[in-house]
Amino acid sequence: QQPVQSPQAVILREGEDAVINCSSSKALYSVHWYRQKHGEAPVFLMILLKGGEQKGHEKISASFNEKKQQSSLYLTASQLSYSGTYFCGTAGGSNYKLTFGKGTLLTVNP
Amino acid sequence: GAGVSQSPSNKVTEKGKDVELRCDPISGHTALYWYRQSLGQGLEFLIYFQGNSAPDKSGLPSDRFSAERTGGSVSTLTIQRTQQEDSAVYLCASSLVRADTQYFGPGTRLTVL
Repeated sequence: QQPVQSPQAVILREGEDAVINCSSSKALYSVHWYRQKHGEAPVFLMILLKGGEQKGHEKISASFNEKKQQSSLYLTASQLSYSGTYFCGTAGGSNYKLTFGKGTLLTVNP
Repeated sequence: GAGVSQSPSNKVTEKGKDVELRCDPISGHTALYWYRQSLGQGLEFLIYFQGNSAPDKSGLPSDRFSAERTGGSVSTLTIQRTQQEDSAVYLCASSLVRADTQYFGPGTRLTVL
């Protein structure tokens, strides 16, 4: 079952923060986050495994609440380069077959 | 090192024709995945190869779709008797081992007229 991402789209000014949510109706083993710029391949951001793990990468971090079957991606002090579509991919026990959400279009303006 | 490559980058075909899409994974990656991305949609899983194991074909939408992976490296996705609804971007990804980070290729944009 496809995870649900929210919001569908968000527009920011450079320096503002954003949160992108990913919810699943199924028990999750892991959540994978990717960013895709128009006409390009998705680029890996991070993997979160069950256990309420939180990871960070510079100003981009994420959390995973396995009980709520939710993950959130946090972008702080956004930069123009953050613009793109963000996808979450979820995996159950098999942990290789990712089911992706429809994506969240993030636009960062100067 | 080189990333995942796919060819062709664009393919325009007529309804009813067969097409072959090629994926060259990152050298040494044992896992290979095919996804389909339609306009405004997420990535739809199609098929997964892991080493010499039987592939997981559970995502293939119909028997017109097939894929093979020769020598544990290059993979070809074949669509027979293409339909207009097959128009999409077909993405290939590879990972070092199962469940590891997936690295995506640039995709092949297929247009069926």
